[in-house]
Amino acid sequence: DTGVSQNPRHKITKRGQNVTFRCDPISEHNRLYWYRQTLGQGPEFLTYFQNEAQLEKSRLLSDRFSAERPKGSFSTLEIQRTEQGDSAMYLCASSPPAGYEQYFGPGTRLTVT
Amino acid sequence: GQQVMQIPQYQHVQEGEDFTTYCNSSTTLSNIQWYKQRPGGHPVFLIQLVKSGEVKKQKRLTFQFGEAKKNSSLHITATQTTDVGTYFCAGRSSNFGNEKLTFGTGTRLTIIP
Repeated sequence: DTGVSQNPRHKITKRGQNVTFRCDPISEHNRLYWYRQTLGQGPEFLTYFQNEAQLEKSRLLSDRFSAERPKGSFSTLEIQRTEQGDSAMYLCASSPPAGYEQYFGPGTRLTVT
Repeated sequence: GQQVMQIPQYQHVQEGEDFTTYCNSSTTLSNIQWYKQRPGGHPVFLIQLVKSGEVKKQKRLTFQFGEAKKNSSLHITATQTTDVGTYFCAGRSSNFGNEKLTFGTGTRLTIIP
């Protein structure tokens, strides 16, 4: 399977704990995006990487959220001191260098209890 | 900030009937994309429109971009059960230096066999 993969697929955590999600984009896709989607809503943009450089961050990305893409391949999204309002599906997408379409992964569903 | 609204929020149609969803942006867009998300799935890219007044067709699907580049529509002719899902438009506000896609609120299509 050469699509975008995300791990874990589901995460249940207690309020106040830290969580980290991983995204592996399609090989050779230089652009990578993180989104958050809640039930009945469209994906909300969180951040964007071109290769290893984080070029855009949404105001939604509070200081508790941090994302990295250290070698320009996989990316991680960390949420510190989770809150119940962080419960959502976290989607990763990637785009090829010469393309504009975004290929989404299956997402990581986070539940904060 | 940029807002993208879609109407209707829900649409139930008999199989074989037509379906249309409308997308309106609060700001002028450089381009607009459409995605389909099946229940329990992730968004899948359908098409991108760039030019003012552009119309593109994919089999039974017709996509339009408004003259002012602030609105768009997706029309499906003779719906089939495979068309079930939520259709999102997603717009970019400028071509360069801004990779952020703002997704619409989505239109959820259900088909009555």
